[in-house]
Amino acid sequence: GQNIDQPTEMTATEGAIVQINCTYQTSGFNGLFWYQQHAGEAPTFLSYNVLDGLEEKGRFSSFLSRSKGYSYLLLKELQMKDSASYLCAVRDSNYQLIWGAGTKLIIKP
Amino acid sequence: ETGVTQTPRHLVMGMTNKKSLKCEQHLGHNAMYWYKQSAKKPLELMFVYSLEERVENNSVPSRFSPECPNSSHLFLHLHTLQPEDSALYLCASSQDTEPGELFFGEGSRLTVL
Repeated sequence: GQNIDQPTEMTATEGAIVQINCTYQTSGFNGLFWYQQHAGEAPTFLSYNVLDGLEEKGRFSSFLSRSKGYSYLLLKELQMKDSASYLCAVRDSNYQLIWGAGTKLIIKP
Repeated sequence: ETGVTQTPRHLVMGMTNKKSLKCEQHLGHNAMYWYKQSAKKPLELMFVYSLEERVENNSVPSRFSPECPNSSHLFLHLHTLQPEDSALYLCASSQDTEPGELFFGEGSRLTVL
């Protein structure tokens, strides 16, 4: 079957750096997405990786290794507003999105 | 503001009630989706519509009935639901059905008593 694994919950300190990992086993691969979802709000798109390597967008970066079935989302200079759930999703060979259960990130002062 | 609006935001219903969830997108997208989000579980795709035609139905019970009258509006009709159907129901849209970025509504929080 297809599976996406990410930690259920992580805690980090304001101003620090945190890395949220995502590993996947899917039928084919056509890109990996990260979404952010604040409590009670809509998930919003953060990043997209289809080739190996690092994609940087401000304080957020996303890394992909297709050979390892692995991605991470790196958040730098953490702010309290970064407290949210982070969803990893992979687009398989049929262009279906396979979702992880999300990682709840708690930022402490 | 994502360009996708869902109503109602909260809904409480008994198992014998009939209610509907509404979704409207203002982005000119061709594809619309219903997802179910339960605590600590992955998003579950329920239905996909492309240009008002249903292209996918992921073995969803018949007590959930979708309707897409035009490319901007999507409904989810609910009847004789079960308590385990309590969840957040998210609507999303994308330019086409091979989704790049999905644009989500804020969801309808459904509680079935």
